[in-house]
Amino acid sequence: GAGVSQSPSNKVTEKGKDVELRCDPISGHTALYWYRQSLGQGLEFLIYFQGNSAPDKSGLPSDRFSAERTGGSVSTLTIQRTQQEDSAVYLCASINLNTNEQFFGPGTRLTVL
Amino acid sequence: QKEVEQDPGPLSVPEGAIVSLNCTYSNSAFQYFMWYRQYSRKGPELLMYTYSSGNKEDGRFTAQVDKSSKYISLFIRDSQPSDSATYLCAMRGSSASKIIFGSGTRLSIRP
Repeated sequence: GAGVSQSPSNKVTEKGKDVELRCDPISGHTALYWYRQSLGQGLEFLIYFQGNSAPDKSGLPSDRFSAERTGGSVSTLTIQRTQQEDSAVYLCASINLNTNEQFFGPGTRLTVL
Repeated sequence: QKEVEQDPGPLSVPEGAIVSLNCTYSNSAFQYFMWYRQYSRKGPELLMYTYSSGNKEDGRFTAQVDKSSKYISLFIRDSQPSDSATYLCAMRGSSASKIIFGSGTRLSIRP
């Protein structure tokens, strides 16, 4: 289908629980980026994938955050032992680096109580 | 100092006005420059993409890049209420590298 999809669209969790966020990119886009956006703020870079490898994961805030991508397609972002400061909208973007065609998903709104 | 600086606004202008949005940056390695529009509770949407210095026009939108001054601009002509959104500048170095975003400027077009 068209567009980037993310699931779940909303996630409310208790502090200390683990969460897994999913991104389904556009078929054929080799690059996939994860960003975090807090209320009224710009986008904070987390990690990007080229194929299945992550050349730059410098934006991951702590070792509680990890991400993987399999088959050059779906990516999951996992946050372990969630904290209240993890509350934000998590966005992924799918990019064709040759043409710069790129689309963002609608995001997952994470709320940690 | 942030790598990319953008005035958060808000910026409010009457319908039909020309809007000028700007960003400055510090990393001379940036080569690709982008502008995104983000409506409330939606993901960003790519508006304009420019490689290196120069101008690019697309309908009512014009993007300018001045690498010597490390300054980029987005102009919106004949602004419409539907242009009301947050506009984010972004840039990256080589083809495969992280994209750094400005904090966004909230724009409101008054009918």
